[in-house]
Amino acid sequence: GESVGLHLPTLSVQEGDNSIINCAYSNSASDYFIWYKQESGKGPQFIIDIRSNMDKRQGQRVTVLLNKTVKHLSLQIAATQPGDSAVYFCAEITLDDKIIFGKGTRLHILP
Amino acid sequence: GAGVSQSPSNKVTEKGKDVELRCDPISGHTALYWYRQSLGQGLEFLIYFQGNSAPDKSGLPSDRFSAERTGGSVSTLTIQRTQQEDSAVYLCASSLWTSGGYEQYFGPGTRLTVT
Repeated sequence: GESVGLHLPTLSVQEGDNSIINCAYSNSASDYFIWYKQESGKGPQFIIDIRSNMDKRQGQRVTVLLNKTVKHLSLQIAATQPGDSAVYFCAEITLDDKIIFGKGTRLHILP
Repeated sequence: GAGVSQSPSNKVTEKGKDVELRCDPISGHTALYWYRQSLGQGLEFLIYFQGNSAPDKSGLPSDRFSAERTGGSVSTLTIQRTQQEDSAVYLCASSLWTSGGYEQYFGPGTRLTVT
């Protein structure tokens, strides 16, 4: 069946470095993708989204890249800070507005 | 309110009992979703309400699970005859499509423990 998944379950990054979290999707009909951040004990928080007619979208310290050719989505966090420690989920929006989440990648910030 | 709220925040129940979980979405949001998150796992879609349309129940794991949304606002997720495998955090989210895009706002979740 269709699925959204993540390449790495855990990512450790030095504070101040850039982080790149990757995601693969398989539903070629989906035209909308979202990254969520979930801190311990809290619900997921919307970070940034991108439509399939775009390759790149930038927010505050975050950039999402979409490669439709290989069905790959990535989240880049610039100058990673301790507050960025969380689990990051990618998600795709299906044509019937259902959101399918991956399992998540835990981002661990090294001092 | 400022965001999505859920109650209770924690619920411990005995196996076989029924439980009701409540979600108050952001005012004006037409879409409401329920998800389940088991320890260390991703989000599992349960059910989706959009406006006055029939809900998408395709994610409900069994007929012990049901949900309703009254007046297009508050939603209640009911689990009958709870089982230990129902233990998880149940998350509710609401959203509103805008011309600029789509954002989904999550509540803090209800942690359900079935003993």
